[in-house]
Amino acid sequence: LAKTTQPISMDSYEGQEVNITCSHNNIATNDYITWYQQFPSQGPRFIIQGYKTKVTNEVASLFIPADRKSSTLSLPRVSLSDTAVYYCLVGDERDDKIIFGKGTRLHILP
Amino acid sequence: DAGITQSPRHKVTETGTPVTLRCHQTENHRYMYWYRQDPGHGLRLIHYSYGVKDTDKGEVSDGYSVSRSKTEDFLLTLESATSSQTSVYFCASGQSNTEAFFGQGTRLTVV
Repeated sequence: LAKTTQPISMDSYEGQEVNITCSHNNIATNDYITWYQQFPSQGPRFIIQGYKTKVTNEVASLFIPADRKSSTLSLPRVSLSDTAVYYCLVGDERDDKIIFGKGTRLHILP
Repeated sequence: DAGITQSPRHKVTETGTPVTLRCHQTENHRYMYWYRQDPGHGLRLIHYSYGVKDTDKGEVSDGYSVSRSKTEDFLLTLESATSSQTSVYFCASGQSNTEAFFGQGTRLTVV
């Protein structure tokens, strides 16, 4: 499983766009990049997944450059309720395990 | 959201006693996982299962055992609870390992 590195914490303000970058230099050809969100006192929740270029859904966008050695989760116009821990994971369907790192603690300020 | 429930939600137990936590899913998912979460450590995988009676160790499996006799149930047992096992335990399930659905967690305190 490829190791991921992401900032420990970030602060931003309501209404701003927030970008969280994850490094995964050892990503393998078949690996997908997946992001989870965890609110306090809750289990993590899947928010987006991608393989290359750009993926967008109702919650976020995921940008993956051509070399796939990093990825950026983009949250548009954040609100206080986006305060959470965001985890970046890398793996493929042949891995049985799902391993989480320590994530990025995002704190949105009014 | 996937139907995944954990029981109990809260438990206080004494050191040296056995404890079993239950995870139940109604989605017929193949994979199931047990994690613990502690301040400063994030989520750490304890054990996982890739099918009925098929289980394997995760990152922090010492002191824990699991069983999966049915697709829908994954049990985590602490044979002899210690204070270091005080934690929040999360169960998850998924049809593939690229997306997991989590339960609400069990807060276990060992005194």
